[in-house]
Amino acid sequence: ETGVTQSPTHLIKTRGQQVTLRCSSQSGHNTVSWYQQALGQGPQFIFQYYREEENGRGNFPPRFSGLQFPNYSSELNVNALELDDSALYLCASSSYRGDTGELFFGEGSRLTVL
Amino acid sequence: RKEVEQDPGPFNVPEGATVAFNCTYSNSASQSFFWYRQDCRKEPKLLMSVYSSGNEDGRFTAQLNRASQYISLLIRDSKLSDSATYLCVVNPGGSYIPTFGRGTSLIVHP
Repeated sequence: ETGVTQSPTHLIKTRGQQVTLRCSSQSGHNTVSWYQQALGQGPQFIFQYYREEENGRGNFPPRFSGLQFPNYSSELNVNALELDDSALYLCASSSYRGDTGELFFGEGSRLTVL
Repeated sequence: RKEVEQDPGPFNVPEGATVAFNCTYSNSASQSFFWYRQDCRKEPKLLMSVYSSGNEDGRFTAQLNRASQYISLLIRDSKLSDSATYLCVVNPGGSYIPTFGRGTSLIVHP
């Protein structure tokens, strides 16, 4: 167990709806990264939060937004859902500039958009 | 050119075989490298870091070739339980945002 928890684990939405995914980071970690993983693909970086500030963003449109709370937990929000947003959304917790560079992943939130 | 490229496979090998995967990266300033393992419908987990001098962990050996900008993973004496997707991960220089390859699928059969 990594100590990283995500909710919900599965959800179904329809096109145009909005979704919020949540992540609790591992104790002692101040950085949370979000990844989207489509079937058969590697995880694609969405954005990273370090101490409540966005620290980097991948090639995702503005309808993907997020935030990090003082306790370092995080949310990913997606507006105006599209069919292609169907994927596994992974949250990864880490210690920024940690020596090992290891990411600790939650089990993911599997989103289906109909 | 993609930042991190891997052959998706699948690599289909018998138990006991030796199998090797390569992963190429485009950013020559990349600082750190990793192999992650992802089981079907599960989250990725760190398998091993890749050091400049190469490193070994039991049946697994990772190598880094900076001149040619690739890393490799060698698995000896493959087990059925090694069946998984192996993700190559690269940390670009000056950033701490790991970039993942699409993964290489390994299937070990009896």
